[in-house]
Amino acid sequence: KAGVTQTPRYLIKTRGQQVTLSCSPISGHRSVSWYQQTPGQGLQFLFEYFSETQRNKGNFPGRFSGRQFSNSRSEMNVSTLELGDSALYLCASSKLAEPSLEQYFGPGTRLTVT
Amino acid sequence: TQLLEQSPQFLSIQEGENLTVYCNSSSVFSSLQWYRQEPGEGPVLLVTVVTGGEVKKLKRLTFQFGDARKDSSLHITAAQTGDTGLYLCAGSFRTNAGKSTFGDGTTLTVKP
Repeated sequence: KAGVTQTPRYLIKTRGQQVTLSCSPISGHRSVSWYQQTPGQGLQFLFEYFSETQRNKGNFPGRFSGRQFSNSRSEMNVSTLELGDSALYLCASSKLAEPSLEQYFGPGTRLTVT
Repeated sequence: TQLLEQSPQFLSIQEGENLTVYCNSSSVFSSLQWYRQEPGEGPVLLVTVVTGGEVKKLKRLTFQFGDARKDSSLHITAAQTGDTGLYLCAGSFRTNAGKSTFGDGTTLTVKP
């Protein structure tokens, strides 16, 4: 079974630009979550989508947004990039089968803002 | 508020030694996961524990979930250089499925 895929793997943008990251979950997984990982803050939850609806949102500014398509693929968008947005962005998918609530992560997109 | 605290933050040991990493919280989780992450890659799921007092073994790795489902430990026997990496624990709440709360991680270095 194919794992979670994320594209692109690496991205360099300049301040003020916007960026769109893509995530394809494991087949059959309907929940997709996004996390930001930085050396100082660790893994921080951005948002979660299930059946094209955002169900959970972390404590990030409105510049961070996302969506999910009918095939469960998800995109996240960051507008007006700031230097502090440089991070590894991770997507995780889950079948949400209780009681384990396991998430499976993709390789991430390394975003560098200059 | 840090819901999950991991200790130690850094650990450097010689190959063949044993080690234990701890994950503590004041919250009761529905389930808790342990991941290992290598630089530039996403976390890889090692194990999920669900029942208080549960012990799971994965080759040389032993995972334990506290009786009250608030804490967990990971014990590695006879560490190998291939065990080097960042170990993360993550807790999930049934009422907040899809959102895991992560600890800050333990960076393990196993020297030959």
